Amino acid sequence: DQQVKQNSPSLSVQEGRISILNCDYTNSMFDYFLWYKKYPAEGPTFLISISSIKDKNEDGRFTVFLNKSAKHLSLHIVPSQPGDSAVYFCAASASGSARQLTFGSGTQLTVLP
Amino acid sequence: EAGVAQSPRYKIIEKRQSVAFWCNPISGHATLYWYQQILGQGPKLLIQFQNNGVVDDSQLPKDRFSAERLKGVDSTLKIQPAKLEDSAVYLCASRTQGYGYTFGSGTRLTVV
Repeated sequence: DQQVKQNSPSLSVQEGRISILNCDYTNSMFDYFLWYKKYPAEGPTFLISISSIKDKNEDGRFTVFLNKSAKHLSLHIVPSQPGDSAVYFCAASASGSARQLTFGSGTQLTVLP
Repeated sequence: EAGVAQSPRYKIIEKRQSVAFWCNPISGHATLYWYQQILGQGPKLLIQFQNNGVVDDSQLPKDRFSAERLKGVDSTLKIQPAKLEDSAVYLCASRTQGYGYTFGSGTRLTVV
């Protein structure tokens, strides 16, 4: 049972345009959400996070939106750059879970120059 | 700050053989995790340590997998005997407080 789903395995975007990566979750106990970026042969690196008490968090070119009623979050990258090409994982955690993360299956983003 | 060190980077073994992976977390990070990432999937938690004690090993296939974290620092993950479906990247992560996870580069295991 996949509790965190990323239904798009891949996404291609032109440089300078907006990239939108989506994530859905089923566990209503999740109250903290994170996005990680992963380059080949490297471990995931933290990108941005959001608590369930917020609906938006912004950090430079990256913005995460949370829609709790729809159990949906999205990552917006504006403007997209070729260096953003990587696999993006959505992760979620529930209070009392010792901050364990449940990951989605990832979306390969390719930013075309 | 040095990152999370893992070794080896790559390992190829035959099924039914044994293998061990090593992780050195960031100094001072009390919490250590081992994740398994199968190709095309997200990382899946195998075991969580707090210092040298196990917090959660409910998803660790204990008939073939074992892990230890002696002295609350380095950790080893062992598979014995390996199966074809164990082919994956094994990621180690450490955390100090909050959600400040730092992942290592992982060990890519291929079982043939």
